[in-house]
Amino acid sequence: QQQVKQSPQSLIVQKGGISIINCAYENTAFDYFPWYQQFPGKGPALLIAIRPDVSEKKEGRFTISFNKSAKQFSLHIMDSQPGDSATYFCAASMVDTGGFKTIFGAGTRLFVKA
Amino acid sequence: GAVVSQHPSRVICKSGTSVKIECRSLDFQATTMFWYRQFPKQSLMLMATSNEGSKATYEQGVEKDKFLINHASLTLSTLTVTSAHPEDSSFYICSVVTIAKNIQYFGAGTRLSVL
Repeated sequence: QQQVKQSPQSLIVQKGGISIINCAYENTAFDYFPWYQQFPGKGPALLIAIRPDVSEKKEGRFTISFNKSAKQFSLHIMDSQPGDSATYFCAASMVDTGGFKTIFGAGTRLFVKA
Repeated sequence: GAVVSQHPSRVICKSGTSVKIECRSLDFQATTMFWYRQFPKQSLMLMATSNEGSKATYEQGVEKDKFLINHASLTLSTLTVTSAHPEDSSFYICSVVTIAKNIQYFGAGTRLSVL
């Protein structure tokens, strides 16, 4: 019930194309859904995040689509660029009696071909 | 700018020595910090939750005597890998969470290589 399933494991996209990464969660107590971008040898950087009271959030070329009933959310990268090549992690967070908790997806390695 | 500062970024040490990694919250006081470990091509694995002024909470399977955590102030947590061995070689990342909005930020990570 605490898993976050992320797909695909890897993704190759042409420059200018749309990259789409999907995640699904199980526990409806999660109330914050961030996406992190990680370059090799660096820590994850918060890219964009959404809370379940909205179905979509857009920041520049990055959009999160959120489907509360299906317990799924996805990251869309429009006009993908070679500089977007990185590993992307989705996550689901909540605060319960034990404190703050985050469950991470397994990650998606994105490669954007020039 | 950076929210979390982590040092060193890379450390190489001999087997049997101890290594200390520092994590500083730059923008706000953090009563709780988190320490993660990441193996190549894998996701982040939570090791422990660092609580200011009290003992850290370790995840199952993480040796608390091997990975000593000290959270002496509201802006600083340290992870000490004691008597490091080659199998401890990994990428260690700290994290802080904002109190108001529960947004999680990560440090730049520390690459530990034990020879």
